[in-house]
Amino acid sequence: SQTIHQWPATLVQPVGSPLSLECTVEGTSNPNLYWYRQAAGRGLQLLFYSVGIGQISSEVPQNLSASRPQDRQFILSSKKLLLSDSGFYLCAWRPASSYNEQFFGPGTRLTVL
Amino acid sequence: TQLLEQSPQFLSIQEGENLTVYCNSSSVFSSLQWYRQEPGEGPVLLVTVVTGGEVKKLKRLTFQFGDARKDSSLHITAAQPGDTGLYLCAGPLGNQFYFGTGTSLTVIP
Repeated sequence: SQTIHQWPATLVQPVGSPLSLECTVEGTSNPNLYWYRQAAGRGLQLLFYSVGIGQISSEVPQNLSASRPQDRQFILSSKKLLLSDSGFYLCAWRPASSYNEQFFGPGTRLTVL
Repeated sequence: TQLLEQSPQFLSIQEGENLTVYCNSSSVFSSLQWYRQEPGEGPVLLVTVVTGGEVKKLKRLTFQFGDARKDSSLHITAAQPGDTGLYLCAGPLGNQFYFGTGTSLTVIP
């Protein structure tokens, strides 16, 4: 069966510090991978998605970046965090064989102080 | 621009009541998904509807896809406190999934 991992689960960082959030998927090959940010109790904002190693599409211009160094690994980074980067970050994957399904990780709660 | 609009945004009901949540769009989707999310956790996929007019049932939850594949509804019968959560609809367009604005449901014991 497939599983998706995100870490860390929670993170408190000072303004101006760097960020690295990691997401890995097990039990599948060639998935589409996604990073979302969610404001409290609201819908999801797509940040980045990737259809393959080294292929990144950005939806929202900002001080965040994403990388996909391996088939099942997706990393969200920032060189200098802003207060507005605080939020709940979700990684998701879509099977290469199924156009209609997307599955989410447990999320990372980021607080920038 | 929000492709998928959900209503109501907030809903607070007594245990045992019925409710319906709506997901509407001006765009045609090949499918729509419904998720439930609890605080501090990732959304969990409940169902995918694919065919226009399709109705799917998951215990006390009934999902319907509009004939024109532009809208969907979620009906809960005899709501229970365990149904409390944020309900999200979503649909794929190309490589992306577009999410609704969310409906926050509270079921009071």
